[in-house]
Amino acid sequence: DVKVTQSSRYLVKRTGEKVFLECVQDMDHENMFWYRQDPGLGLRLIYFSYDVKMKEKGDIPEGYSVSREKKERFSLILESASTNQTSMYLCASSLGEGPGNTIYFGEGSWLTVV
Amino acid sequence: AQKITQTQPGMFVQEKEAVTLDCTYDTSDPSYGLFWYKQPSSGEMIFLIYQGSYDQQNATEGRYSLNFQKARKSANLVISASQLGDSAMYFCAMRVALSGSARQLTFGSGTQLTVLP
Repeated sequence: DVKVTQSSRYLVKRTGEKVFLECVQDMDHENMFWYRQDPGLGLRLIYFSYDVKMKEKGDIPEGYSVSREKKERFSLILESASTNQTSMYLCASSLGEGPGNTIYFGEGSWLTVV
Repeated sequence: AQKITQTQPGMFVQEKEAVTLDCTYDTSDPSYGLFWYKQPSSGEMIFLIYQGSYDQQNATEGRYSLNFQKARKSANLVISASQLGDSAMYFCAMRVALSGSARQLTFGSGTQLTVLP
């Protein structure tokens, strides 16, 4: 079974703090993703990585950065957390980019910025 | 542009009965994949079933089956013998082959399914 593990399920951070959300997959997948999910807005792609050290901006990259130093690990960084970044964050991975490649998600990280 | 439409914001079903969750899609790409995910209140997004655009037969996975009608551009999820644990939000999603678009899924707005005892 594919396993995508997000290191923190629930976080509470203060405005202005630097926040790291970590994600690890154990299936040697090429692609990794970070989404955020908000009521009424659905899932929105923040960043996508198609290989180690390769990344592309998604739909809402502002205020976020990412790091992929190893194939299995993809980190989302909030350089200076703000209250409008309070959300549920989902990491995901897939073997490749073709339409037949399933995207597998982690358990989600609930971030509250106060 | 790709679009997924789920017209049922909420559905109720009696335990042990079957239920169909509707999904229609729109894409001009002949090569695409359709996916269903389940999201319980705990938040994880669980992959349920996949249907490829060139697949001749409807996909099945345990109690889940996908009623794929290509001409109608619909990909309805059928859950047989509903269980209380099936209560969750269900999302239909699509991934296409167009360059630059295959990198992400297009999601529908979801259907909240409640299974009644």
